[in-house]
Amino acid sequence: EPEVTQTPSHQVTQMGQEVILRCVPISNHLYFYWYRQILGQKVEFLVSFYNNEISEKSEIFDDQFSVERPDGSNFTLKIRSTKLEDSAMYFCASSRDGREKLFFGSGTQLSVL
Amino acid sequence: DQQVKQNSPSLSVQEGRISILNCDYTNSMFDYFLWYKKYPAEGPTFLISISSIKDKNEDGRFTVFLNKSAKHLSLHIVPSQPGDSAVYFCAAISGTYKYIFGTGTRLKVLA
Repeated sequence: EPEVTQTPSHQVTQMGQEVILRCVPISNHLYFYWYRQILGQKVEFLVSFYNNEISEKSEIFDDQFSVERPDGSNFTLKIRSTKLEDSAMYFCASSRDGREKLFFGSGTQLSVL
Repeated sequence: DQQVKQNSPSLSVQEGRISILNCDYTNSMFDYFLWYKKYPAEGPTFLISISSIKDKNEDGRFTVFLNKSAKHLSLHIVPSQPGDSAVYFCAAISGTYKYIFGTGTRLKVLA
């Protein structure tokens, strides 16, 4: 079965540094998402992306965050200046039409020191 | 604002018995519901879904029930197996294509 792939699986960074989390969604999917899960808490919506633009974002997704689809296959999440509270597991997800099941990647564990 | 709630953080069930996981929602605009299973250090994996025009959907050992008037859905797993031990999330979407997840219920199936 096709899958969403995420790299790296773990990322350690110093507070204030920029990080880029990378994702390759399923090839025929049109809707792309980033979610995060702080340890032991719920899976939180960050942003959805369709037709090369953000369709919706949460209050968590402030000016420090940005997303990009630089080519036909990659989907990236950039955090410009990381904070301690950005430490979480970040999940990329994609959906064929935004109405059916959402496929998740295995996540990137981000640790901000 | 917690639009999707799973009020039981954990549940233990004997192998072979039924597991019932519950989920409540507040937004009447939600029209599609999904259940996901999550193992540690992995992404959530899709289990089963239901449209708001139905009240039941079944797939093998998994059945989802939807009670729109009560804004409640449940996932039944019969029979439960040790491999079902995981965290289960319900999710809901409306026309904006934004999937909202509940807080999760940790299921432990005892052998």
